[in-house]
Amino acid sequence: EPEVTQTPSHQVTQMGQEVILRCVPISNHLYFYWYRQILGQKVEFLVSFYNNEISEKSEIFDDQFSVERPDGSNFTLKIRSTKLEDSAMYFCASSEKGARTDTQYFGPGTRLTVL
Amino acid sequence: EDKVVQSPLSLVVHEGDTVTLNCSYEVTNFRSLLWYKQEKKAPTFLFMLTSSGIEKKSGRLSSILDKKELFSILNITATQTGDSAVYLCAVEVESNFGNEKLTFGTGTRLTIIP
Repeated sequence: EPEVTQTPSHQVTQMGQEVILRCVPISNHLYFYWYRQILGQKVEFLVSFYNNEISEKSEIFDDQFSVERPDGSNFTLKIRSTKLEDSAMYFCASSEKGARTDTQYFGPGTRLTVL
Repeated sequence: EDKVVQSPLSLVVHEGDTVTLNCSYEVTNFRSLLWYKQEKKAPTFLFMLTSSGIEKKSGRLSSILDKKELFSILNITATQTGDSAVYLCAVEVESNFGNEKLTFGTGTRLTIIP
C-alpha cells in the first residue's frame, strides 16, 4: 500500500542552524501539507502546497520556514535558523485532489530536537 | 478562531469494555470531520464524516456526525489492548485554494488494561 515517507526520523541540531526535513508524498497525490506536534500538545497546521506554490500557511509558518518541491517526488520543509521552540514532531501529509472527499495521509514524522 | 475540543482527555478501561470518545467543534467553512488513531508516530486514518446522522463502521469501530449540534462520537466495542492509542479528531476547513487544512483536537488517550 502506498505511503508517505519522511527522512530523517530524528534530527538533532544546535540553535541557529538550518535544517531540511524531507518527505516523499504518495506518488499520485497533488496536495501536500506540513504539520507539527510539540510534545504533549495538539497537531498544528503549518502550510499547504499545490502546483508548486504555497496555498495557505498558518501564523506559525513565519519567514524562518520555507517549503519546496525540488523534483517530482520530494517535498521539503526548511527552517532557516532553528529556535528551541521549534523542537517538535513534524508530519508531512498528502492528498490526491484536495477536495472534500479526499483524505490526507500522514507520514511517520521527523522528530526535531533543537539544543 | 477554529476550535476542536475532545473529551475525555484520557480514558482507562478494561479489555472487552465499550468506549465512546467525543469531539465537538466550532469552525467556519466546515467541510468534513476526520478521526485518526495515533500510536507511536503518524496519525493513521480511521473515518471521514461529511453528512449528519450517517454512521460509518469499520469492524468494532463506528462513528457518527451531528452537524446541527456540531459534534461527533467515536465508538469502540469489545476493546482490545491493540486499541490503546491517542485518538485524534480533526475538522477539515475549506481554504481559499480548494485544498483544505485540518484543525486538530488535543486527542483522547485511550489505555486498555488486559
